[in-house]
Amino acid sequence: NAGVTQTPKFRILKIGQSMTLQCTQDMNHNYMYWYRQDPGMGLKLIYYSVGAGITDKGEVPNGYNVSRSTTEDFPLRLELAAPSQTSVYFCASSEDRWTEAFFGQGTRLTVV
Amino acid sequence: KQEVTQIPAALSVPEGENLVLNCSFTDSAIYNLQWFRQDPGKGLTSLLLIQSSQREQTSGRLNASLDKSSGRSTLYIAASQPGDSATYLCAVRSYNQGGKLIFGQGTELSVKP
Repeated sequence: NAGVTQTPKFRILKIGQSMTLQCTQDMNHNYMYWYRQDPGMGLKLIYYSVGAGITDKGEVPNGYNVSRSTTEDFPLRLELAAPSQTSVYFCASSEDRWTEAFFGQGTRLTVV
Repeated sequence: KQEVTQIPAALSVPEGENLVLNCSFTDSAIYNLQWFRQDPGKGLTSLLLIQSSQREQTSGRLNASLDKSSGRSTLYIAASQPGDSATYLCAVRSYNQGGKLIFGQGTELSVKP
């Protein structure tokens, strides 16, 4: 039972490069979330989705894009990487707004 | 806008102590509140989920309470052990924010042998 799977686990990007962080869940959950966590800080919501084809902005969406073409996948796209996007990124999912959320193991991204 | 606060930011206790971690939130119109544990360099593990209609939830040595009217939740850890050392985060889902999961900044707990 894989749960929420994120790839890659680590990545170093140069300023201006682009990349996609992958997130897949096998629990048939409707809700999916992307967070970033900076050192000593809590988790800030970047984007979330309540179902395939539906996405909405969180607290810190600038510099990121998402899509939700299937229930299972919720990729996060960085178009022009900046040093301020150095962070640990977490993907999460839940069946709906009443059930517990499950998290992936995170992607540690460094932009240099 | 929902804001979630956890105090203290860090806590150090000797092994065997009972302890309480605090979580407060500004908007009491919530669906539920969830407590997580995060080990260094790792993801988040769900500990307890309390629905807005519940007063408390228990799992082993953990007990979480919820007072929605005062905007507070506490996580009680009985007979703490060094293996309990981790960062504990609470997160809230609010009616007025479409069910987004909003986090506090966490309490870093260290249990000394």
